[in-house]
Amino acid sequence: GDSVTQMEGPVTLSEEAFLTINCTYTATGYPSLFWYVQYPGEGLQLLLKATKADDKGSNKGFEATYRKETTSFHLEKGSVQVSDSAVYFCALTRDDKIIFGKGTRLHILP
Amino acid sequence: DTAVSQTPKYLVTQMGNDKSIKCEQNLGHDTMYWYKQDSKKFLKIMFSYNNKELIINETVPNRFSPKSPDKAHLNLHINSLELGDSAVYFCASSQDGARAGYGYTFGSGTRLTVV
Repeated sequence: GDSVTQMEGPVTLSEEAFLTINCTYTATGYPSLFWYVQYPGEGLQLLLKATKADDKGSNKGFEATYRKETTSFHLEKGSVQVSDSAVYFCALTRDDKIIFGKGTRLHILP
Repeated sequence: DTAVSQTPKYLVTQMGNDKSIKCEQNLGHDTMYWYKQDSKKFLKIMFSYNNKELIINETVPNRFSPKSPDKAHLNLHINSLELGDSAVYFCASSQDGARAGYGYTFGSGTRLTVV
């Protein structure tokens, strides 16, 4: 069935480092792809999305490109901040629901 | 104004009890969902309602019963609570369902602890 695989964490970086969190997916058809972020004690917030191949989603300095040839949607940010510390979820649509990856915890050190 | 609000935020209860979690959205969305997040942060869909009609019912024990009195509300009732029900339960809503690609708006979660 459809699924999302993302790199296991935790990922620990220093402030201003470059971030990549890998995400690959398995799906039939052309799902929409998402990155959600969950800050401690809060619900998930939509960070960015892409609805078709080669689309690039971007928000708050984060970006991800829908790559159908490699079935990937890697999350990147050029310079992370301490406030980016959170759990990041890659996700895709299947029928009427969204399927989430297992989440990657990110720690940014000052 | 909170877009998707859940109550209560925390719920501690004994095994065998019956409890309810309420969810309301003021976004005018027509689809609402319940997800369960376990201690490892894994999110699993439980139910989905579209305009008060049940459209997704994953393999969830029948002790869990959703109820949608109108399209702005989706409540979750749990009978005979078990230790394994301890988790964070998230309500979410979307416009036109997940197919439309708009994504979900999530509530802040209800942390259920069964002792």
